[in-house]
Amino acid sequence: KQEVTQIPAALSVPEGENLVLNCSFTDSAIYNLQWFRQDPGKGLTSLLLIQSSQREQTSGRLNASLDKSSGRSTLYIAASQPGDSATYLCAVDILTGGGNKLTFGTGTQLKVEL
Amino acid sequence: ETGVTQSPTHLIKTRGQQVTLRCSSQSGHNTVSWYQQALGQGPQFIFQYYREEENGRGNFPPRFSGLQFPNYSSELNVNALELDDSALYLCASSLSGAGNTIYFGEGSWLTVV
Repeated sequence: KQEVTQIPAALSVPEGENLVLNCSFTDSAIYNLQWFRQDPGKGLTSLLLIQSSQREQTSGRLNASLDKSSGRSTLYIAASQPGDSATYLCAVDILTGGGNKLTFGTGTQLKVEL
Repeated sequence: ETGVTQSPTHLIKTRGQQVTLRCSSQSGHNTVSWYQQALGQGPQFIFQYYREEENGRGNFPPRFSGLQFPNYSSELNVNALELDDSALYLCASSLSGAGNTIYFGEGSWLTVV
């Protein structure tokens, strides 16, 4: 059974700091890995999707890497801003029955302070 | 704004009752998935519908059931509600096939008392 773990559970940083969020998964037979953002009481917004054949993806100040063999992914946020405060979730898709059936971690709650 | 709309946004039910949650998928998306998110946890996959047929199910009992309609909108039904069913229920739509971007709705908050 696929299990996804995210460390740390919570993180508080001053504005402008670069930071790294970690995600690990137990079964390396994944099809892709995605990072999502969730604001309090809201739905999820897709940030980055990395296919299993890729090593990283970038979008603006965000960079996500994937090491499938070791079962790890990191989300790097550069020059953090108060608007980045949210919960960040990683999820893996193991391509059962056509895909898009995601297994999520419990998330990292990020607070960026002025 | 993802184009995925869910209703109702909040509701309170009594243990043992039944509830129906609704989801309108983004235009053109033929696949709808439902997730349950308890407070402080990540979403858990309930089931997925593709072209009106169930296409995969997570570790949820049969009292969780669903429907998908010809216009790709969907319903989640939960019978015999239990206190542990209290959670945020998220609907997600996408095109079929892995690797396509998934769009989530804002969710329906269910409280069972």
